Amino acid sequence: SQTIHQWPATLVQPVGSPLSLECTVEGTSNPNLYWYRQAAGRGLQLLFYSVGIGQISSEVPQNLSASRPQDRQFILSSKKLLLSDSGFYLCAWRGQGWEKLFFGSGTQLSVL
Amino acid sequence: GQQLNQSPQSMFIQEGEDVSMNCTSSSIFNTWLWYKQDPGEGPVLLIALYKAGELTSNGRLTAQFGITRKDSFLNISASIPSDVGIYFCGPNTGNQFYFGTGTSLTVIP
Repeated sequence: SQTIHQWPATLVQPVGSPLSLECTVEGTSNPNLYWYRQAAGRGLQLLFYSVGIGQISSEVPQNLSASRPQDRQFILSSKKLLLSDSGFYLCAWRGQGWEKLFFGSGTQLSVL
Repeated sequence: GQQLNQSPQSMFIQEGEDVSMNCTSSSIFNTWLWYKQDPGEGPVLLIALYKAGELTSNGRLTAQFGITRKDSFLNISASIPSDVGIYFCGPNTGNQFYFGTGTSLTVIP
């Protein structure tokens, strides 16, 4: 069966520090991968999605970037965090030809 | 971008009552999904709708995909305390999945 792993679960970072959140999927090949951000427990904002290794589509201009170095690995990064980057970050995957999205357990990021 | 209107924004109901929420869009979608999110967790898929007019049930949950493919509703019958959470509609077209602003449900025992 397919599983998605996202870590860390909680992260507290100072303003100006770098960020790296990792997401991996098991049990499937060539998934579509997504990063969402949820502010204040409401609304999911699509940040990036990827249909293959090295292929990244950005939905909203951000202080963030994404990379897909391996088929089942998706990384969300920032060189210098801002206060406004605080939020709940969710990774999700979709199997090829599937019209369903499955989410990881999320990372709560607090930038202080 | 896509405009999704989900209502109501929040609901406070007594245990045992039925619940109804809906989403409308200015765009046509191929698929309509409904999710539930518990606090501090990722959303979990409840129901997926693929055809215009489709009515699908999952236990006490029933959802319908609008004939115009621009809207959907979700009903929960005989609510119980574990129904508490935020419910999101999430239509899909191609590689992109969009989400409504959510309906926060509180069930009072």
